[in-house]
Amino acid sequence: NAGVTQTPKFQVLKTGQSMTLQCAQDMNHEYMSWYRQDPGMGLRLIHYSVGAGITDQGEVPNGYNVSRSTTEDFPLRLLSAAPSQTSVYFCASSRTGTSVIDTQYFGPGTRLTVL
Amino acid sequence: AQSVTQLGSHVSVSEGALVLLRCNYSSSVPPYLFWYVQYPNQGLQLLLKYTTGATLVKGINGFEAEFKKSETSFHLTKPSAHMSDAAEYFCAVSGNNQGGKLIFGQGTELSVKP
Repeated sequence: NAGVTQTPKFQVLKTGQSMTLQCAQDMNHEYMSWYRQDPGMGLRLIHYSVGAGITDQGEVPNGYNVSRSTTEDFPLRLLSAAPSQTSVYFCASSRTGTSVIDTQYFGPGTRLTVL
Repeated sequence: AQSVTQLGSHVSVSEGALVLLRCNYSSSVPPYLFWYVQYPNQGLQLLLKYTTGATLVKGINGFEAEFKKSETSFHLTKPSAHMSDAAEYFCAVSGNNQGGKLIFGQGTELSVKP
């Protein structure tokens, strides 16, 4: 199993550009989520999904879109990048979305810089 | 509402010394508590978690944490630090009705001196 994979590892964008951060898992997990990590602020939840076709907003959803057409994939879209979106983005998955007891597995992260 | 406060953004210890990383939480529901470790340029890895039952929780790599409801704390300890423990550590909280949503603390960077 590859676990949770994220691409790209690094990305530099100009203000106003759009892009999609890819996340995939091969563990047949129902629950997937996106976090952003900023210095001194820990990780903050952007969006999450409890299964294919079901998504919801987390703590900091503005400026980001998600969709979940398959169990395996959960892409994060930046519609019009802003410098405030410079961050490290982590995707995570767990077996179900109904129990917090399930261990969450994190991907290696995408480091995004918006100029 | 839930929140987590980690006391000290940087902690430095000598190899072989006790490691103590502090975490206090606020939760309106019975909390589930977690410690994650992040090694440089990697994702987060679960160290240990408290859900119900025994309040002293043992995790990987010799770490343990104790849930103290009266103090709203979940401090992480390890009796003897190794150089390989140098990393960033995150405390997180959730509740039984929160699904997979975690609220993270700000993180504590642990340095280990030879």
